[in-house]
Amino acid sequence: DQQVKQNSPSLSVQEGRISILNCDYTNSMFDYFLWYKKYPAEGPTFLISISSIKDKNEDGRFTVFLNKSAKHLSLHIVPSQPGDSAVYFCAAPQGGSEKLVFGKGTKLTVNP
Amino acid sequence: DSGVTQTPKHLITATGQRVTLRCSPRSGDLSVYWYQQSLDQGLQFLIQYYNGEERAKGNILERFSAQQFPDLHSELNLSSLELGDSALYFCASSPTARLNYGYTFGSGTRLTVV
Repeated sequence: DQQVKQNSPSLSVQEGRISILNCDYTNSMFDYFLWYKKYPAEGPTFLISISSIKDKNEDGRFTVFLNKSAKHLSLHIVPSQPGDSAVYFCAAPQGGSEKLVFGKGTKLTVNP
Repeated sequence: DSGVTQTPKHLITATGQRVTLRCSPRSGDLSVYWYQQSLDQGLQFLIQYYNGEERAKGNILERFSAQQFPDLHSELNLSSLELGDSALYFCASSPTARLNYGYTFGSGTRLTVV
């Protein structure tokens, strides 16, 4: 049972345009959500998080939106840069624990 | 450099063998987490240790075990290896239970079972 789902395995955008990465979840009890970015041959790195009591969190070019009624969150990257090309994972802590449940990831390619 | 050190980076071994993966957490972090990433799979939680004690367990096989030592480094032991155990194994660390800023991951150990 996958509690966090990323249905798009890949996304390709042009440099300077907006990248929108999506994530759906099934567990309405998640307290917050996190996005990680992973480059090849490296471990995932934390990017941005959002509490379940908020609907938006912004950090520079990165904004995460949370729609609790739809159990959906999205990560917007504006403007997209070639260095943003990576695999992006959404994650949430399960059952009030420190265990993170991850989606399968979306590979973003930003073309120059 | 994330501050979380995993060794070795690559490991190739035969079926039926036993291997040990090592993780040194970021300085000051008390929690260590182990995750497995198989082909086409997201990161699957295996086990967590906090200050030397097992704190949470995921879908970790009985052939796998882990421990955290007094100096806070951790080892993941994989035995009776099967082809399906080939994966990336990540270690992560965090200071306490607050995860609002997420774990810090190491760069992983790529295990290939042949």
